[in-house]
Amino acid sequence: ETGVTQTPRHLVMGMTNKKSLKCEQHLGHNAMYWYKQSAKKPLELMFVYSLEERVENNSVPSRFSPECPNSSHLFLHLHTLQPEDSALYLCASSQDLLSKQYFGPGTRLTVT
Amino acid sequence: GIQVEQSPPDLILQEGANSTLRCNFSDSVNNLQWFHQNPWGQLINLFYIPSGTKQNGRLSATTVATERYSLLYISSSQTTDSGVYFCAGMDSNYQLIWGAGTKLIIKP
Repeated sequence: ETGVTQTPRHLVMGMTNKKSLKCEQHLGHNAMYWYKQSAKKPLELMFVYSLEERVENNSVPSRFSPECPNSSHLFLHLHTLQPEDSALYLCASSQDLLSKQYFGPGTRLTVT
Repeated sequence: GIQVEQSPPDLILQEGANSTLRCNFSDSVNNLQWFHQNPWGQLINLFYIPSGTKQNGRLSATTVATERYSLLYISSSQTTDSGVYFCAGMDSNYQLIWGAGTKLIIKP
């Protein structure tokens, strides 16, 4: 599926760096999501946007900051991360909050 | 919160075999979905199945919402079916609650 793209695919950053992950969906969907997938753990929902408004924030540390400038783009800004933040970060979109979710290929993040 | 239990956690089969993966929920969920994650991390939505049965080629899924479980059937397995299969159900806050997955390995 190429309807949801993510860049970069791999990212290595130090704990003092600032970086951003980008997600773009080409499906005309109205909802977008950030998930974190760590080894041996179920997917964790981080943020949900519907019609460019944040609708959920699951107690995510403030070192993760989302931005949704329009319905097609979603960013995750990263700063002062910890090694335990190393994970696969997945973006998804859906027509609305109740519909089937489509995922991007993910960004493999390593914090050194 | 809602707990999602998937079984078995791991499954190794020969090519051509059939398999059944199960997903149990501790409470009622909506909009149950099944996903396949390939070895490179890409998640593909296989089924959106709040209730009833759906079929897509060699795969089919059945959800019995009143009994809080769903089954994914894979017939005539191929090596490309390898990966991790996840089920997820939506809670009252529109969040998908995910199981830990079933890791499937199909040997040629």
